[in-house]
Amino acid sequence: AQKVTQAQTEISVVEKEDVTLDCVYETRDTTYYLFWYKQPPSGELVFLIRRNSFDEQNEISGRYSWNFQKSTSSFNFTITASQVVDSAVYFCALSELGGGSNYKLTFGKGTLLTVNP
Amino acid sequence: DTEVTQTPKHLVMGMTNKKSLKCEQHMGHRAMYWYKQKAKKPPELMFVYSYEKLSINESVPSRFSPECPNSSLLNLHLHALQPEDSALYLCASSPPRTSGSYEQYFGPGTRLTVT
Repeated sequence: AQKVTQAQTEISVVEKEDVTLDCVYETRDTTYYLFWYKQPPSGELVFLIRRNSFDEQNEISGRYSWNFQKSTSSFNFTITASQVVDSAVYFCALSELGGGSNYKLTFGKGTLLTVNP
Repeated sequence: DTEVTQTPKHLVMGMTNKKSLKCEQHMGHRAMYWYKQKAKKPPELMFVYSYEKLSINESVPSRFSPECPNSSLLNLHLHALQPEDSALYLCASSPPRTSGSYEQYFGPGTRLTVT
């Protein structure tokens, strides 16, 4: 069975601080996909990034960066120079390939990030 | 365009009412999903439709009845709900596997309150 662990339930930082959200996963699949989603108070889940199991390149997108390490089964997310608008719940998720064209996502419990001015 | 729309945004219904939630996407996605999310919890998968056919039912009670009339539209019919069914209901869709993209795109959700 697949499992995603986000050990940090809540994190509070002051604006402009860097913050790293941890994600550790378990799967028996050799091919899998990892995702990060952001859920602001409005409720919509916003897709941030996808990473394939065979692509361990780290990625940077503006203030966001992701560190994928298969050796430690981790897919951590760093926000540099955090802003108040980054305040949200962040979910890490792992996909299990279903039949047809669908993918079953296993979500972590989420990390509530609060960025204070 | 990566938009999934959901209506209504908010819904209050009594336990004897019948109502429906609607979800729409025009991205050519062939898989659509219903999730239920309680406060401070991750989304829980309810149903998956793949090419308009029900692919996954996560043992959801029959008072929730999904329907996929066409590839762009997904409905969730509600009948005789219980107060514990109050939650945020999220719809999502994902591209065909051949596209090389595997992420699900979520709508804004419907906040349902059962009284």
